[in-house]
Amino acid sequence: KAGVTQTPRYLIKTRGQQVTLSCSPISGHRSVSWYQQTPGQGLQFLFEYFSETQRNKGNFPGRFSGRQFSNSRSEMNVSTLELGDSALYLCASSLAGQHPLSTEAFFGQGTRLTVV
Amino acid sequence: AQTVTQSQPEMSVQEAETVTLSCTYDTSESDYYLFWYKQPPSRQMILVIRQEAYKQQNATENRFSVNFQKAAKSFSLKISDSQLGDAAMYFCAYRGSIYNQGGKLIFGQGTELSVKP
Repeated sequence: KAGVTQTPRYLIKTRGQQVTLSCSPISGHRSVSWYQQTPGQGLQFLFEYFSETQRNKGNFPGRFSGRQFSNSRSEMNVSTLELGDSALYLCASSLAGQHPLSTEAFFGQGTRLTVV
Repeated sequence: AQTVTQSQPEMSVQEAETVTLSCTYDTSESDYYLFWYKQPPSRQMILVIRQEAYKQQNATENRFSVNFQKAAKSFSLKISDSQLGDAAMYFCAYRGSIYNQGGKLIFGQGTELSVKP
């Protein structure tokens, strides 16, 4: 069974540009969540999509947006990049049901974004 | 709002010894799940162990076990017979009710564990 796939693995962008990151969840998983990981702030929740709808959103500016397609693949977009957006962006997929066995989040290897 | 606190930024253990990583959390929910994730240098987050709040019995997975104290809101991870491959960053995470929070995970700041041969 294929795991969570994030592309690209590494990105270097210039301030002011925009960027799109992609996440392909495990087959059958309908929930995709995005997290930003930085040395200073740790792991912070960006948003979650479930069946193409944003189910929850973290405390990030509107420059951060996302979407989910009918095949559950998700993209996140960051517009007008700032130096502080440099981070590891992690995607996680899960069944996200109430049954304990469906609560596990499976993570991708992340996209390392560097803004210069 | 829920919070997760890991008060030990770094821990060290001798190979084959036992180490305990601490985690406390704050919530007003009664239905929630707690997790320990491991993040090695490859940055791949791996689930180590899961605990359902409604279960009084502490979860165990081979050399990994937890001490879940619901009233004290404490959730520590014990690693027995530590191995070199256990060296990693360990994160404690909270997930609330799917109806209130969806699949959102709230993470602690992490504990960097080193294992000495």
